Amino acid sequence: TQLLEQSPQFLSIQEGENLTVYCNSSSVFSSLQWYRQEPGEGPVLLVTVVTGGEVKKLKRLTFQFGDARKDSSLHITAAQPGDTGLYLCAGLHSGTYKYIFGTGTRLKVLA
Amino acid sequence: DVKVTQSSRYLVKRTGEKVFLECVQDMDHENMFWYRQDPGLGLRLIYFSYDVKMKEKGDIPEGYSVSREKKERFSLILESASTNQTSMYLCASSLSLPQGGGDSNQPQHFGDGTRLSIL
Repeated sequence: TQLLEQSPQFLSIQEGENLTVYCNSSSVFSSLQWYRQEPGEGPVLLVTVVTGGEVKKLKRLTFQFGDARKDSSLHITAAQPGDTGLYLCAGLHSGTYKYIFGTGTRLKVLA
Repeated sequence: DVKVTQSSRYLVKRTGEKVFLECVQDMDHENMFWYRQDPGLGLRLIYFSYDVKMKEKGDIPEGYSVSREKKERFSLILESASTNQTSMYLCASSLSLPQGGGDSNQPQHFGDGTRLSIL
């Protein structure tokens, strides 16, 4: 099973810092989703991107889909402790209906 | 809000036992999914169902089966539990199956997971 590679795997930063999480693959996706999973809960959808080069913003979170639709990034500005969690990307190949999930980035924001 | 409820948060079973994990959703969704989540491996799809009594294998179906007798309920069955099935199991539901491209892709709504330990 092909996985999406996410980096970094772990990230511990101070409140107020900026960070970027990457999601990379060698194959093209027709759409890509980002989820956040908090401890003891299931993943919750943050955003879906579908167009190469697309940028979406969700308050302090900025999501970008690569021009070639093989990769994506999540940038958080002025991180807060409430951003702590596991961030997962999930890509959909054209002609299929099963999302492939990334390996995850575990973020901890210290107050 | 969509509610996906998994019957157990924690479960401990012994090798060789038959194990049932239950999942119920309250939004009349057509599609339901079972994943397992392991550190460093993300979520891997075990089985999904797109209608009552309909099922399709995911990426790692070996050692598992599923049952969907009613639209709201999707059960995952470990026929003879083994230690390598110790994992976090997540159930999800969606209004429609994802289609290639388009913002119309419906999100998957996840339950809070069942942490299963096989001794």
